[in-house]
Amino acid sequence: AQTVTQSQPEMSVQEAETVTLSCTYDTSESDYYLFWYKQPPSRQMILVIRQEAYKQQNATENRFSVNFQKAAKSFSLKISDSQLGDAAMYFCAYRRWEYGNKLVFGAGTILRVKS
Amino acid sequence: KAGVTQTPRYLIKTRGQQVTLSCSPISGHRSVSWYQQTPGQGLQFLFEYFSETQRNKGNFPGRFSGRQFSNSRSEMNVSTLELGDSALYLCASSWTHMGGGSTDTQYFGPGTRLTVL
Repeated sequence: AQTVTQSQPEMSVQEAETVTLSCTYDTSESDYYLFWYKQPPSRQMILVIRQEAYKQQNATENRFSVNFQKAAKSFSLKISDSQLGDAAMYFCAYRRWEYGNKLVFGAGTILRVKS
Repeated sequence: KAGVTQTPRYLIKTRGQQVTLSCSPISGHRSVSWYQQTPGQGLQFLFEYFSETQRNKGNFPGRFSGRQFSNSRSEMNVSTLELGDSALYLCASSWTHMGGGSTDTQYFGPGTRLTVL
């Protein structure tokens, strides 16, 4: 079974600084998807960024980028120019390539942004 | 396009009762998945419905069930509620092609907060 591990229960960053959230996963499959979701206090899960495992290029969405290391099974999220609105719980998630939409989530990392 | 909607947003029940939660996916999305979120267990997959058929199921007891209607709306039911069923129940929808493969992202609703007393 696939597992996702987020080893940082909580992180803090100063406004306008950069922070990196870690995620590792375990799978025997070669094709899959990886996601970062954000859950603010409203509890609404919001997609931050996604990565297809077959793509060597790291995904980027504005201030958010990932460092995808397939061999190491590592998928970290970098947030640049942190803003107060980035404060939330961040979840790393894995999904198989084919058939079905089951997401396997990590335990989450609480990100606090200091002004 | 309207997002995923879930009703009700909050629910309080007592042990032994049953509850039904509803989820309306984004228009055109045919896959609906349900997740349970608790402080102790985190986010756990309950089941997924596609074209009115359950095609994935998580490790939950038979008290948890669901269904999907022809308009893709989905309901989940929990019978004989236990205190441990108190959780945020999240629904997510995505577009999935007929072959069953899915390349699209899941979009989540705001959740239903269930409290069991």
